[in-house]
Amino acid sequence: GAVVSQHPSRVICKSGTSVKIECRSLDFQATTMFWYRQFPKQSLMLMATSNEGSKATYEQGVEKDKFLINHASLTLSTLTVTSAHPEDSSFYICSANPWTPSSYNEQFFGPGTRLTVL
Amino acid sequence: AQTVTQSQPEMSVQEAETVTLSCTYDTSESDYYLFWYKQPPSRQMILVIRQEAYKQQNATENRFSVNFQKAAKSFSLKISDSQLGDAAMYFCASYTNAGNMLTFGGGTRLMVKP
Repeated sequence: GAVVSQHPSRVICKSGTSVKIECRSLDFQATTMFWYRQFPKQSLMLMATSNEGSKATYEQGVEKDKFLINHASLTLSTLTVTSAHPEDSSFYICSANPWTPSSYNEQFFGPGTRLTVL
Repeated sequence: AQTVTQSQPEMSVQEAETVTLSCTYDTSESDYYLFWYKQPPSRQMILVIRQEAYKQQNATENRFSVNFQKAAKSFSLKISDSQLGDAAMYFCASYTNAGNMLTFGGGTRLMVKP
């Protein structure tokens, strides 16, 4: 099956620093990748959609200057949390769409990254 | 816009018994898909079952089946012969080609009692 990895799985950083999270599709090319945020005991909230070679589309209320997304290749998307603050502490999940000729492109999820900002 | 609602924050079931998780959705699209995802304590999202809206037959995957009521916009998940490993958060989700995004419900925490 299709595998999506995330690195790191956990990160602790000091307030004011920037943190980069990588999302990789290991055995398929992903034309579209998605970034979600999940607070404890809550659902997944879509932050942005990224397409390879173009700018990410951010959901309403998500600061694009705060959460920088780069989809530089068909297998890699990165999320950089700039000038992180304690309120940015959360669980971040990425997912990826392999391109298929069918009308539906299934999303495959990474294992998530737990970010803690001190 | 799509919305997905799960009205049961928590459910409990005895091992080997059957449990049904509820989900309602709203969409203006005619072409859409519905899903149930499982999120165990590891927090890895796992696809449990999928239903294409144009199909009248309810999807089944081993012990998991759905009751898809299109007119009522209802999509419930039935878990038969519940096992301890079924304990997890369950999310209902919808997808439309027009939106190209998954919309998740708030989730239901399922506890399985031995």
